[in-house]
Amino acid sequence: GNSVTQMEGPVTLSEEAFLTINCTYTATGYPSLFWYVQYPGEGLQLLLKATKADDKGSNKGFEATYRKETTSFHLEKGSVQVSDSAVYFCALRRGFGNEKLTFGTGTRLTIIP
Amino acid sequence: DTEVTQTPKHLVMGMTNKKSLKCEQHMGHRAMYWYKQKAKKPPELMFVYSYEKLSINESVPSRFSPECPNSSLLNLHLHALQPEDSALYLCASSQGSGWEETQYFGPGTRLLVL
Repeated sequence: GNSVTQMEGPVTLSEEAFLTINCTYTATGYPSLFWYVQYPGEGLQLLLKATKADDKGSNKGFEATYRKETTSFHLEKGSVQVSDSAVYFCALRRGFGNEKLTFGTGTRLTIIP
Repeated sequence: DTEVTQTPKHLVMGMTNKKSLKCEQHMGHRAMYWYKQKAKKPPELMFVYSYEKLSINESVPSRFSPECPNSSLLNLHLHALQPEDSALYLCASSQGSGWEETQYFGPGTRLLVL
């Protein structure tokens, strides 16, 4: 079956540090990959996505590259801010149309000034 | 605009009450979803509606009853819930077909069952 494995949290960084949150997946075929962010007390917001191998998704300074050879979709940001503190979920959707999302367990990120 | 709205924002109900959660989108999406999220866990899929027809029910207890009156609106009717049903209920929508399918989530309804 499909699965997503995310880096265990929580992660605490100082402001302006470099961020990497690891995400690897198991799926047959060619899944689409997503990063969602959840700020305290809110719903999920789409952060970025990639739908085929070697695609790079980017948004708000965050980037992730779809690596089929390593089945990975690691999230990176060069310089984090306090406002980036949130829970980050990696997810995949296998197939076409309204197939379900498979989520990782989430990584809680705290940025200290 | 990628907005999904949900009402109410918070809900407290007793185990004998009947209540409904509402979700609305005006993006022309033809697939809509209900998820349940417990604290410090990822969302779990409950139901999927595709073109206003129920296409996926993830073995959800019958005390949760979804309804899709039209392509913009999704309801979740609640009856005889248990305290363990307390959670954040998230609605999402997506285009409904295609490889570029992306789910957009609402802010959620935080439900407390007493």
